[in-house]
Amino acid sequence: GAGVSQSPRYKVAKRGQDVALRCDPISGHVSLFWYQQALGQGPEFLTYFQNEAQLDKSGLPSDRFFAERPEGSVSTLKIQRTQQEDSAVYLCASSFVGRETQYFGPGTRLLVL
Amino acid sequence: AQSVTQPDIHITVSEGASLELRCNYSYGATPYLFWYVQSPGQGLQLLLKYLSGDTLVQGIKGFEAEFKRSQSSFNLRKPSVHWSDAAEYFCAVASGGGSGNTGKLIFGQGTTLQVKP
Repeated sequence: GAGVSQSPRYKVAKRGQDVALRCDPISGHVSLFWYQQALGQGPEFLTYFQNEAQLDKSGLPSDRFFAERPEGSVSTLKIQRTQQEDSAVYLCASSFVGRETQYFGPGTRLLVL
Repeated sequence: AQSVTQPDIHITVSEGASLELRCNYSYGATPYLFWYVQSPGQGLQLLLKYLSGDTLVQGIKGFEAEFKRSQSSFNLRKPSVHWSDAAEYFCAVASGGGSGNTGKLIFGQGTTLQVKP
């Protein structure tokens, strides 16, 4: 079946703009994760959903970052008033509840100028 | 706090040679351990995982890894490297079992593998 998809694949934003990144998880996957990967670094956890409930947002770096998954499937990560330090690849992953294998999407590369 | 250390930032091996990528973790309880590979511009692909049981686990593309609790290590090995193995490799740990386990992954900084012809 189809894997995790993310859109857009690339996004260039001017500092101060708002951006929205979309994630379509694998059908039937209850768990959804967002990670941020800075250049030359490993991914870092941002937030976790189980169905529509956001159970862990401990990794969100500031209140400019907001994520939602209103119907328990598609998720959107929104960044308000983008800053240059937000430039990174944003990865989405999904998994079955109780199964620890996370399947990753191709990521959205965000560049803030 | 959980953490993962990959001591080697960059490794170069000749095609056909053996490979070992090191991974050390810090976690109080039994960890769930993973190795992912990332090719340029691509997402992360799972190579193998250790959840419990046999400490030697086999993965895709001829990779294997051994969990050594006494050394807090989960090193990745391959007996004969192919040019297509050139990529970034990430070791990760997740909290293991129990209710409330979100399964979030803590990644190491990665090891870049270069393969010489």
